[in-house]
Amino acid sequence: TQLLEQSPQFLSIQEGENLTVYCNSSSVFSSLQWYRQEPGEGPVLLVTVVTGGEVKKLKRLTFQFGDARKDSSLHITAAQPGDTGLYLCAANSGGSNYKLTFGKGTLLTVNP
Amino acid sequence: DADVTQTPRNRITKTGKRIMLECSQTKGHDRMYWYRQDPGLGLRLIYYSFDVKDINKGEISDGYSVSRQAQAKFSLSLESAIPNQTALYFCATSDPGRPNTEAFFGQGTRLTVV
Repeated sequence: TQLLEQSPQFLSIQEGENLTVYCNSSSVFSSLQWYRQEPGEGPVLLVTVVTGGEVKKLKRLTFQFGDARKDSSLHITAAQPGDTGLYLCAANSGGSNYKLTFGKGTLLTVNP
Repeated sequence: DADVTQTPRNRITKTGKRIMLECSQTKGHDRMYWYRQDPGLGLRLIYYSFDVKDINKGEISDGYSVSRQAQAKFSLSLESAIPNQTALYFCATSDPGRPNTEAFFGQGTRLTVV
């Protein structure tokens, strides 16, 4: 089972600041997903990255997939309190038997 | 209505009791999953099913069993609950027809074993 390491585990910042969270592994992924989970809810998909070196933008969120497809990052510009939540990266660990393995998550708090 | 519905949302039970968590979905997906979430440990896969006749163990299946009653229903049972099974449980579905498909999660069941 491939292990996904996320860092930092906790992040507390002020509104307007920028931040980056990381997802790393020693394994090569065919794709990687980022989910966001709010309190009392299940995770919701933000993005899927597939190609090494790929960069995707979702408003103030920028996702990057490493060239070697072993790591990924999520950068948030000018964070807002509404960005508060648990950010999880996930990768398919089952090959054709598709099953997602999740990192432990980064708990982000954006203070007004 | 939610596409993936879990019942109950909250449950407190006593050690040794049998408890069933239920999941139903209206997305028409063949693949269904049960995950457990603990603080600092992320989401860990308990069981998964790719169709009604297919059941597979995940990384932490000990102490749990599942039943896939229909394409839309996937239940998780704790035969004899113990306190370290206190956690947030999530059911999820995915579409097998799409590569790199996303998982759709229910709202979770918060289980406390006392």
